[in-house]
This record gives sequence, structure tokens and C-alpha cells, in this order.
Amino acid sequence: GAGVSQSPSNKVTEKGKDVELRCDPISGHTALYWYRQSLGQGLEFLIYFQGNSAPDKSGLPSDRFSAERTGGSVSTLTIQRTQQEDSAVYLCASSSSAGTGGGGYTFGSGTRLTVV
Amino acid sequence: RKEVEQDPGPFNVPEGATVAFNCTYSNSASQSFFWYRQDCRKEPKLLMSVYSSGNEDGRFTAQLNRASQYISLLIRDSKLSDSATYLCVVTEAGGFKTIFGAGTRLFVKA
Repeated sequence: GAGVSQSPSNKVTEKGKDVELRCDPISGHTALYWYRQSLGQGLEFLIYFQGNSAPDKSGLPSDRFSAERTGGSVSTLTIQRTQQEDSAVYLCASSSSAGTGGGGYTFGSGTRLTVV
Repeated sequence: RKEVEQDPGPFNVPEGATVAFNCTYSNSASQSFFWYRQDCRKEPKLLMSVYSSGNEDGRFTAQLNRASQYISLLIRDSKLSDSATYLCVVTEAGGFKTIFGAGTRLFVKA
């Protein structure tokens, strides 16, 4: 597609439920990133995928969070047993090469997660 | 200490004013630097890259001081449409992990 697509755009879930957030990167982009942005805060790095390399999971806040990237394209971020502090906007970004650093990112419009 | 620190603001300025934002980073080995702009409830978008030699894009000037580990953004002749949050962004050596600052909010008023 023309841009990074994320779904759903909004998700309200009950505390304790599992949620899956999806990201479709720009076709051909090898690098994919997940960030989290709480209200009024900056972006918090979660996880990074580059091609077939092992992902950098250093930003995942707990073992309730996991992410996969299938076939080097679509990525799914899964949050198990959601807590209220998980409420945030989850942003996905892709870039054509890891070496371009932060200048090559295209962000999706995010998934706004609300845990009630 | 946060890896990337910014004054959260808000900066409230009249149209036509000149405003400057600074950002400091903690990792001296950081490789590349950027300013992103984020409008309310929108995703961040690249505004400009930042180089030691300084770079200018119209009314916007960005500067990097590696010795002091800070980055600046200067906006001249502010427009109402410049109202947004400006994010300082630093990529670590290797070009992989990118750290976003919490952002500086700017309100330009008529």
C-alpha cells in the first residue's frame, strides 16, 4: 500500500483480556518498529524487526507483550492480560533500511487502546 | 537521566515571532539526529534532519552541537500552522534503535 496501515484504529477492551494490534508496513520496507505513546508523553520504543534477523525486544515493558512479523511483512503486537496502564496509542513505523535511522520512518496512524 | 530530554513547554508565541527549542541527549555515540512534528492526535512526521554544519529549510533551522550533546530547532516568522508538538529524535550508533524525546508543544496565536 501507499502508507503504513494499522488496525484497528481504536480498541476498547476489558482489563484482563488479550488484544492483537496489526501493522501493514509499506511494501518493500525491511525495517519495522513498534512504539507506544501515552497521553501527553513521547514515544516509547517497544520492539524492532529488521529482515530475517532476530528482533530487538529490549523495549517491551513486560512478558505480557509480544510481537511477530510474518514473512517479513505484516506484524502483530499482542498484549496478554491487559492492564489499565497499557492504555495508550500504539504506533507502528517502517523504513526501507535500518541504516537510515530515525530519518526514514513512516508512521501509521496508530491504534488507540483503552483498557477499562 | 532520560536518553533524550526536551523542555515540554508549552511555548505560546504570537504570529511572526521567532522561537527556539533545545534538546539534549545522553549517549555521546549517537549517530544521527532529527526533528519530527506531531499534530494533535496524529502520527509523527519527519520535519528535518540535523547536521553539525547546520541546515535550513525555509523558516526552519536545525543545529547539532556534538561536544555539548544538544540539538536545536529555530522557527522564524511563526505561522498559526506551526502549532504542533516538536519531537527531538536520536538514532544510536549502528542506525537501529531510535529514541524519541517527549516533545515540546508550540502554540502560535494570532
